[in-house]
Amino acid sequence: AQSVTQPDIHITVSEGASLELRCNYSYGATPYLFWYVQSPGQGLQLLLKYFSGDTLVQGIKGFEAEFKRSQSSFNLRKPSVHWSDAAEYFCAVGGSSASKIIFGSGTRLSIRP
Amino acid sequence: EPEVTQTPSHQVTQMGQEVILRCVPISNHLYFYWYRQILGQKVEFLVSFYNNEISEKSEIFDDQFSVERPDGSNFTLKIRSTKLEDSAMYFCASRRLAGVETQYFGPGTRLLVL
Repeated sequence: AQSVTQPDIHITVSEGASLELRCNYSYGATPYLFWYVQSPGQGLQLLLKYFSGDTLVQGIKGFEAEFKRSQSSFNLRKPSVHWSDAAEYFCAVGGSSASKIIFGSGTRLSIRP
Repeated sequence: EPEVTQTPSHQVTQMGQEVILRCVPISNHLYFYWYRQILGQKVEFLVSFYNNEISEKSEIFDDQFSVERPDGSNFTLKIRSTKLEDSAMYFCASRRLAGVETQYFGPGTRLLVL
C-alpha cells in the first residue's frame, strides 16, 4: 500500500536551534518525494522535491532533505530555525505518471522564543 | 511566477445546497487535481483530470461530486447536495506534464456547510 508516515505530530524547537522532521514512505514504484509547508489558513507551498540524482536536496527558506532508500525515509532538516518557520509541514509521495500525491498527516512546528 | 488561483476563498452554504468551487490552473498545464483537507487532518486526493476526462478518483469522490473544465482556463468542482462532512479546505492543483513535473497547489477554498 502507498502511504506516508510522519511520526511526530507536534515539535517545538527554540529559535536558532536545528530542526529535523521525520518522514517514512511506502511506495511500490520509484518514489517522487516532496515536502510542503502550510501556514495557518493558507495553502500548500512546495519546499523541496526529490526525483532522482543527488540524495541531498536543497529547497527554499534554507531547508534541505535527504532521501535514504534503504530506510524509506525523506527527512527534512534546517540548521537554524526562525520564528517564521512555525507552520505545518507535510511530507508527500507521488509517482512518475500523472498520479495523485499522497500526503502524510503533517507535523506542526512551534518555535520557542 | 504563474500561480494556481481559486475562488472563492471562503464559502458558507446550507446543507443540501449545491456549490461550485472554481480554479484557474497555470496556463500551460495539462493535468488538474482536486484535494481536500478536513480541519486538522491530512490532505486527501479527490480526483485527477486530463484531456477532458477523469483519470483517477478516490472513494471520497462519489456521485455527489463532479468536475468540469468548461472553457480553456477554468477547472471546477461541483458538490451537488452538500453534507456537513463536506466542510473542508479544497485545494486545486495542476501539473504541466506527467513524469517528473511538480504539482502546484492553489491557496484553497474553505467550505463550511451548516
